[in-house]
Amino acid sequence: GAVVSQHPSWVICKSGTSVKIECRSLDFQATTMFWYRQFPKQSLMLMATSNEGSKATYEQGVEKDKFLINHASLTLSTLTVTSAHPEDSSFYICSARVALAGVPHEQYFGPGTRLTVT
Amino acid sequence: AQKITQTQPGMFVQEKEAVTLDCTYDTSDPSYGLFWYKQPSSGEMIFLIYQGSYDQQNATEGRYSLNFQKARKSANLVISASQLGDSAMYFCAMREGNNAGNMLTFGGGTRLMVKP
Repeated sequence: GAVVSQHPSWVICKSGTSVKIECRSLDFQATTMFWYRQFPKQSLMLMATSNEGSKATYEQGVEKDKFLINHASLTLSTLTVTSAHPEDSSFYICSARVALAGVPHEQYFGPGTRLTVT
Repeated sequence: AQKITQTQPGMFVQEKEAVTLDCTYDTSDPSYGLFWYKQPSSGEMIFLIYQGSYDQQNATEGRYSLNFQKARKSANLVISASQLGDSAMYFCAMREGNNAGNMLTFGGGTRLMVKP
């Protein structure tokens, strides 16, 4: 089956620093990747949609200058949280679209990255 | 308005019994897909089952079945013969339109706890 990895699985950083999270599709090419944020005991909220080779499309209320997304290849998308603050502490999950004919459940999720900003 | 509503924040079920997790949705698009995901404490999102808006029959996947009532805009998940490992958060999600690149919108989730 399609496998999506994320690195790191958890990270602790100091306020004001930047953190990069990687999302990789291991055995397929993903033309589209999605980035979600999940606060404790809450649902997943879409942050942005990332298409390979083009600029990401951000959801309303998500600061594009703070959450930099780069989808440089068909197997890798990165999310960089710049000048992180404690309120950015959250669980970040990526998903990748599998372009397989006849497969309706095209999005496969990574295992998530837990970010804690101190 | 909420596009996906899960009205049960928490549910208990006795091991080996069946349980129904509720999900209602709101869309004006005639073409859409409905998904259920399981999220254990480890955080990973595990795909369980999918129902397309044009599918005539309710989807089934092993112990999971989806009770799709289109006129009522509901897509309840039924888990039969509950197991202790079923304890987790369950999310209902919807994708509007035919494009596989369209976003998923998630409901607020239901925490299922299976009692031994």
